[in-house]
Amino acid sequence: QSALTQPPSASGSPGQSVTISCTGTSNDVGGYNHVSWYQQHPGKAPKLMIYEVTKRPSGVPDRFSGSKSGNTASLTVSGLLAEDDADYYCSSYGGSNNLLFGGGTKVTVL
Amino acid sequence: EVQLVQSGAEVKKPGESLKISCKGSGYNFPIYWIAWVRQMPGKGPEWMGIIYPGDSDTRYNPSFQGQVTFSADRSINTAYLQWSSLKASDTAMYYCARRGYEQLHIDKWGQGTLVTVSS
Repeated sequence: QSALTQPPSASGSPGQSVTISCTGTSNDVGGYNHVSWYQQHPGKAPKLMIYEVTKRPSGVPDRFSGSKSGNTASLTVSGLLAEDDADYYCSSYGGSNNLLFGGGTKVTVL
Repeated sequence: EVQLVQSGAEVKKPGESLKISCKGSGYNFPIYWIAWVRQMPGKGPEWMGIIYPGDSDTRYNPSFQGQVTFSADRSINTAYLQWSSLKASDTAMYYCARRGYEQLHIDKWGQGTLVTVSS
């Protein structure tokens, strides 16, 4: 069982939006503004999409956005493209140099 | 370009030892923490711990303490993950990953090393 809770799946048609949640506790997601999101295609390494809750690394489209409320963080993918079909993992700093991860959400572009 | 290149897939028997590597390039390797992350088939990543190549300061996730050993050789920009006695339950993909400079998230991942332990 992963430390952070994500829904196992989410889906949307091309052009639509999908939002993925990531629930932790006040000791991790709720206690730090250090939530990040990673995209992973099959057989590939994860790729950083969002860090520090809302920030996008250079090169990540602005279709990807992050937010947080209390102990739950969210990733929204707007204007879905076929290439967004992938697994998405959230991560949060949990203190003592530890990072916690979610179990992952499979996003399907219908 | 920042790159982390890991050693190739391994197939081992229970009880054998193993050391896998992660070579960084394109950045100042000693001053960025390197994390090791386990991903079992169909599961989310698990944080194993982290090492600072500059002085080999190491922090283990308590769940992995005593099961694995991290090391680094800053002269060749390489970090290592090793086991002294593998178990079948160690079968997984292992990633090294760079933690952002003075940040708390991973900003770059290696391509992964698949470790299979089977008799």
